[in-house]
Amino acid sequence: DAKTTQPPSMDCAEGRAANLPCNHSTISGNEYVYWYRQIHSQGPQYIIHGLKNNETNEMASLIITEDRKSSTLILPHATLRDTAVYYCIVRARGGSNYKLTFGKGTLLTVNP
Amino acid sequence: KAGVTQTPRYLIKTRGQQVTLSCSPISGHRSVSWYQQTPGQGLQFLFEYFSETQRNKGNFPGRFSGRQFSNSRSEMNVSTLELGDSALYLCASSLDRSDSSGNTIYFGEGSWLTVV
Repeated sequence: DAKTTQPPSMDCAEGRAANLPCNHSTISGNEYVYWYRQIHSQGPQYIIHGLKNNETNEMASLIITEDRKSSTLILPHATLRDTAVYYCIVRARGGSNYKLTFGKGTLLTVNP
Repeated sequence: KAGVTQTPRYLIKTRGQQVTLSCSPISGHRSVSWYQQTPGQGLQFLFEYFSETQRNKGNFPGRFSGRQFSNSRSEMNVSTLELGDSALYLCASSLDRSDSSGNTIYFGEGSWLTVV
């Protein structure tokens, strides 16, 4: 699976949009971009995933650049409960997609 | 729809003992995988089961084992516990479809194991 690079930490004010970047310059055409988050002492929570088009769900939006080498997870109105470690993961569509390879992620701290 | 359920949530064991952790996947999910999370190593893949067969295994010693039952429920076992086995053990499940929409993996809340 392609390697991802994320900033180790970010801060965001409550009520503002949180934009979390991820670089995946070696991504291949059959690999998805997945985002998970982990709130302290809990299991990772699935947020969203995409292949090449932008995606939006009730939790967040995912913007993938046209060359697919980077992406941004957007939490439109961050709350204190969004404080967590956010993981950007590249995952194959088939074959070796049975597992997720987690990096260190980005610790997002939402401040009041 | 219930999520991935893991039991027990917390447990304390003594070095040399063994432990069994249980996981019930999301209804209809046939693939179950296990991960270990420690502060030093982060989240690491242990193994994955499908149709009662271990399909994939991570880089862990043979003391770590697992199994899957016909109803897709899974257990993992760690024998001869060491202090370094103290960790959060996470179970995850997925449909295991190879369709073009992806095959999302969902995690349980985990079992916190402390070895003393």
